[in-house]
Amino acid sequence: ETGVTQTPRHLVMGMTNKKSLKCEQHLGHNAMYWYKQSAKKPLELMFVYNFKEQTENNSVPSRFSPECPNSSHLFLHLHTLQPEDSALYLCASSQFIGAGRSMDGYTFGSGTRLTVV
Amino acid sequence: GQQLNQSPQSMFIQEGEDVSMNCTSSSIFNTWLWYKQDPGEGPVLLIALYKAGELTSNGRLTAQFGITRKDSFLNISASIPSDVGIYFCAGHSIYNQGGKLIFGQGTELSVKP
Repeated sequence: ETGVTQTPRHLVMGMTNKKSLKCEQHLGHNAMYWYKQSAKKPLELMFVYNFKEQTENNSVPSRFSPECPNSSHLFLHLHTLQPEDSALYLCASSQFIGAGRSMDGYTFGSGTRLTVV
Repeated sequence: GQQLNQSPQSMFIQEGEDVSMNCTSSSIFNTWLWYKQDPGEGPVLLIALYKAGELTSNGRLTAQFGITRKDSFLNISASIPSDVGIYFCAGHSIYNQGGKLIFGQGTELSVKP
């Protein structure tokens, strides 16, 4: 496989369930990101990982727990979610670059459509 | 922090019409990118711009890196129904180590056949 793969594509879960979203990239990138996108709204950055280390957490509630076991895999563990957490969750990857260099952009996965009931 | 203002937020046009959208930044960027997101999918990169004044085309799409390095424009000529989607601009500053992009709010395009 190539690119960024997200599974599952669709997920319906109850507010008391625990589930995990998976993201895998086959591009040799070393930076990975989780974004949340509510209906027809802007992309909201949730977490940033560089070389497996979390470098940014944009005040995300603790019911979202990311995990990055290696540079190719990223997980988002979900527990006791609320209906307002229903959204499209997008994973992206890119090449970490040093200051002073241009970058080629992110590659996004197709997303997981999450519905919390 | 850095912010991008993208406009318009939405557009409803007739098939065959040309489309223009733009992004402005509060600070200088060294890279401007334009993405398209089809309904239910992730954004896909359309065009990347790396130099002030650069004009780059991808089929019916043309994007420009503004001279001030604080803005960028995307034009779509002779729109067709498959152009429907959300278009995002994104900028990167070389002073931000790591390659983090700043995204605009998106322009939702609807094309009436």
